[in-house]
Amino acid sequence: QQPVQSPQAVILREGEDAVINCSSSKALYSVHWYRQKHGEAPVFLMILLKGGEQKGHEKISASFNEKKQQSSLYLTASQLSYSGTYFCGTEKAYSGAGSYQLTFGKGTKLSVIP
Amino acid sequence: DAGVIQSPRHEVTEMGQEVTLRCKPISGHDYLFWYRQTMMRGLELLIYFNNNVPIDDSGMPEDRFSAKMPNASFSTLKIQPSEPRDSAVYFCASSLSGVSYNEQFFGPGTRLTVL
Repeated sequence: QQPVQSPQAVILREGEDAVINCSSSKALYSVHWYRQKHGEAPVFLMILLKGGEQKGHEKISASFNEKKQQSSLYLTASQLSYSGTYFCGTEKAYSGAGSYQLTFGKGTKLSVIP
Repeated sequence: DAGVIQSPRHEVTEMGQEVTLRCKPISGHDYLFWYRQTMMRGLELLIYFNNNVPIDDSGMPEDRFSAKMPNASFSTLKIQPSEPRDSAVYFCASSLSGVSYNEQFFGPGTRLTVL
């Protein structure tokens, strides 16, 4: 089942912060985050593997709450280059391990304006 | 490495024709994934392979779709016969190992238009 992302779209001015949420109805083993610019392929941002894990990538970080089956992506001090559509990909937990495939949300379109 | 290579980049065909999409994964990657992306349904997994063996094809929409991976460096996705609702961007992706620990590298995609 497809994870639910919110918001569907957000517009930011340069320097503002944003949070993108990803919620699943299934127990999760890992969560991936990807960014896709218009007309291009999705590009990997980070993987979160353990419940409660947080990771950072420059000014982009994420958290994964295994119990709540939720992940959030945090973008701080946004730059024009952050514009794009952000997807979470969730890997279901299966017998204590992962299911080896991702189900992607429908994406959150982020627009950063000067 | 050149990354994941897909061909053709654009394909326009008429309903009923056979379409073959091609993918060359990154050398040394054991997993290969085929995805379809549309505005309505987003990014959907169609099928994935591990060491050239199809593992899960439950995402393949109909019998009109088939995929093969005859060797570690080549995979095809075939649609026969094609229908207008098959119009989408088809991505191939590969990963070094299972997705639990490894990112997926996406190819540039094939934009398919079925008239």
